Amino acid sequence: NAGVTQTPKFRILKIGQSMTLQCTQDMNHNYMYWYRQDPGMGLKLIYYSVGAGITDKGEVPNGYNVSRSTTEDFPLRLELAAPSQTSVYFCASSYKGQKSNLSGNTIYFGEGSWLTVV
Amino acid sequence: RKEVEQDPGPFNVPEGATVAFNCTYSNSASQSFFWYRQDCRKEPKLLMSVYSSGNEDGRFTAQLNRASQYISLLIRDSKLSDSATYLCVAYSSASKIIFGSGTRLSIRP
Repeated sequence: NAGVTQTPKFRILKIGQSMTLQCTQDMNHNYMYWYRQDPGMGLKLIYYSVGAGITDKGEVPNGYNVSRSTTEDFPLRLELAAPSQTSVYFCASSYKGQKSNLSGNTIYFGEGSWLTVV
Repeated sequence: RKEVEQDPGPFNVPEGATVAFNCTYSNSASQSFFWYRQDCRKEPKLLMSVYSSGNEDGRFTAQLNRASQYISLLIRDSKLSDSATYLCVAYSSASKIIFGSGTRLSIRP
């Protein structure tokens, strides 16, 4: 299993440009997440999805959009990039069954995407 | 007040020492707790889950105190390779997975 794969790893955007961060997982996880992590700070949830066709806002959704057309893919779209969106972005996934248990809540992360908006 | 609070450190300890971190959480509805490890410029990786009765994994021991709403991580016989940032995580639901800002640990030879 490749786990959680996200691309690109590095990207420089100009203010006002748009781009999509791709994320795919091959663990058949139903839950997927997008986080951002600013230098020296914790992870902040941007959007999450509990299954195909279902997405919800997290703590910091403004300026972003997501879709979940398949179980495997959860792309993050940045519209009109701003310097405040310079950050490291992590896609993650987890499995939660009907009878959830502690291990079912384990979150697996992709390697991160370093985005700079200039 | 942050929902999950950690001492940012850095903790600078000699190899072989025992070091402990605490993490406090404010949401009493939090169901599950975890410690993640994050190396510089890398993704967070699960170190261990935290069980109510406390649990041990080799040199690492995690404990949960629901009454006082804190979790702890103890590292015995620390190695140079333990140098990293340790993130405390409180899980209430898919939309309420709160990561602490992390505690930096540096092990010196």
